[in-house]
Amino acid sequence: GNSVTQMEGPVTLSEEAFLTINCTYTATGYPSLFWYVQYPGEGLQLLLKATKADDKGSNKGFEATYRKETTSFHLEKGSVQVSDSAVYFCALLAGGTSYGKLTFGQGTILTVHP
Amino acid sequence: EAGVVQSPRYKIIEKKQPVAFWCNPISGHNTLYWYRQNLGQGPELLIRYENEEAVDDSQLPKDRFSAERLKGVDSTLKIQPAELGDSAVYLCASSSLGNTEAFFGQGTRLTVV
Repeated sequence: GNSVTQMEGPVTLSEEAFLTINCTYTATGYPSLFWYVQYPGEGLQLLLKATKADDKGSNKGFEATYRKETTSFHLEKGSVQVSDSAVYFCALLAGGTSYGKLTFGQGTILTVHP
Repeated sequence: EAGVVQSPRYKIIEKKQPVAFWCNPISGHNTLYWYRQNLGQGPELLIRYENEEAVDDSQLPKDRFSAERLKGVDSTLKIQPAELGDSAVYLCASSSLGNTEAFFGQGTRLTVV
């Protein structure tokens, strides 16, 4: 079946540090890949997405590249801010009979200190 | 534009009691999802609707959970009777047909005591 594995957290960084959150996936066919973010007290929000191999999704300074050869979609940001503190979820949307079903990783808690 | 609206935000009930959650999706979105998110984990799909038809309910525990989406707009998710293990955040999401982006509500945090 489809699955998503994220690096274990929590991750604690100082402001302006470089961020990487690893995400690998297992899926049949050619899934679309997503990063969702959940700020404290709020619902899940789409951060970025990529729908095919070698696509790069980007938003708010975050980037992730769809790597089919390594089945990965790692999230990166060059300089984090305190306001980036949140829980980050990697997810995939598979096709075929599972079309429409998002499969999420377990989430990574990011805390950024001033 | 209003987002996905869920109510209530929080609910505390005793085990064996019934509980219901309500979701109003974004206007015009044909697809509606109910997810359950246990503490420290990612959301897991319970049921997906295309208009008023449940097209994927394979993960819904049908002995105690039920859902409906009358007229293909609002939806309710019910648990009867609730068990301690049902304590979680229940998320509703919607998307337009054929669109890969799902928009999530703030969720209902259920505590069963």
